[in-house]
Amino acid sequence: QVRLQESGPGLVKPSETLSLTCTVSGDSIRSFYWSWIRQPPGKGLEWIGYIYYSGRTHYSSSLKNRVAISADTSKNQFSLRLSSVTTADTAVYYCARLVDTDFYSWFDPWGQGTLVTVSS
Amino acid sequence: SSELTQDPAVSVALGQTVRITCQGDGLRSYYASWYQQKPGQAPVVVIFGKNNRPSGIPDRFSGSTSGNTASLTITGAQAEDEADYYCNSRDSSRNFLLFGGGTKLTVL
Repeated sequence: QVRLQESGPGLVKPSETLSLTCTVSGDSIRSFYWSWIRQPPGKGLEWIGYIYYSGRTHYSSSLKNRVAISADTSKNQFSLRLSSVTTADTAVYYCARLVDTDFYSWFDPWGQGTLVTVSS
Repeated sequence: SSELTQDPAVSVALGQTVRITCQGDGLRSYYASWYQQKPGQAPVVVIFGKNNRPSGIPDRFSGSTSGNTASLTITGAQAEDEADYYCNSRDSSRNFLLFGGGTKLTVL
């Protein structure tokens, strides 16, 4: 069974960089795509970006100037860095496996999510 | 277009059928996937592709697409189906992944 687990600081100061790691078990990150998604409190889901183990990445147009996703195949982990954060970046951050085909894609499974609060 | 539009809230009587819709230009060439999210939990995929259900998802959940509108149908809604539902697909350029704003389903 594939499991994903997010980890990282729950509190980040404004203007600093948010850093999270997703540890994958039960599957190798050398397959599929691996993605980050966030959800501000009481609001909807927002796709952040994804990475293929080779290093190929793709980011949301609204976040691409501040976001970087990387992968460490030796640890079977992938990571998110979001720079220059503001209170608008306060959200539950989820990692998920992305299965992508020519005509459809889906996220499954998801991690349990981790709340990151941006506050001084 | 870079949006997927969902009705904010829908209600259904217990045991009846409900359709939750998602509109977007990208749906003309790329299928939606649908996610169920209960309070305090991570989303779970219930439908992907033309009409595929992951193992463990009841067959009362089904999906369809017509033009620029994708639909999630629950036939015989149960109390445990009360949740937020999100659609996901690509924008019309197929460059970016998108989520709809979500639909809160209430089972009466």
